[in-house]
Amino acid sequence: RKEVEQDPGPFNVPEGATVAFNCTYSNSASQSFFWYRQDCRKEPKLLMSVYSSGNEDGRFTAQLNRASQYISLLIRDSKLSDSATYLCVGGLGGNEKLTFGTGTRLTIIP
Amino acid sequence: DAGVIQSPRHEVTEMGQEVTLRCKPISGHDYLFWYRQTMMRGLELLIYFNNNVPIDDSGMPEDRFSAKMPNASFSTLKIQPSEPRDSAVYFCASSLKTRRFFGPGTRLTVL
Repeated sequence: RKEVEQDPGPFNVPEGATVAFNCTYSNSASQSFFWYRQDCRKEPKLLMSVYSSGNEDGRFTAQLNRASQYISLLIRDSKLSDSATYLCVGGLGGNEKLTFGTGTRLTIIP
Repeated sequence: DAGVIQSPRHEVTEMGQEVTLRCKPISGHDYLFWYRQTMMRGLELLIYFNNNVPIDDSGMPEDRFSAKMPNASFSTLKIQPSEPRDSAVYFCASSLKTRRFFGPGTRLTVL
């Protein structure tokens, strides 16, 4: 079983809609979680960290469910510019290895 | 801040040739990571350094791959000899805490 698993998509969503995707992790000792965004032919960039209490940044909300070992990303009022691949990331804490998921591709349709 | 710098941005070479990828991390960052990204396997960690010392190279696929970090501002990833299955995008990333800052990547094609 992969350490971090995501639905690869693609998710094709109309502009203005709300979209959510989950990511599961296998190591119950994992402490650090993030969502990265990667545009086509670009490098990954940090979108947001994921905290136990959940966190929100504008239209984006990230949540952690330790009991079921998954994290989620919710995008409200989606924009064309949200089209990208979203990478789920998990690790044990500190600055050791973080494991990246293979990504979920999202396309926002006008 | 210039961010993480990688060179070359694109490399096309023939099977059997030596390939050297270069990375300059963000000044002050004490961790440096080399990743490889393919459609099939996603983003894989190859090796990482802390304060110029290799910490974990368990992700290096085989002996054809080697990495060095002679000082805090420079690292290389070398493939010798290269094979078509090495074709991928290679990213270098640096960090001070958990947030990784990635370079633009080197797109390697081995014919």
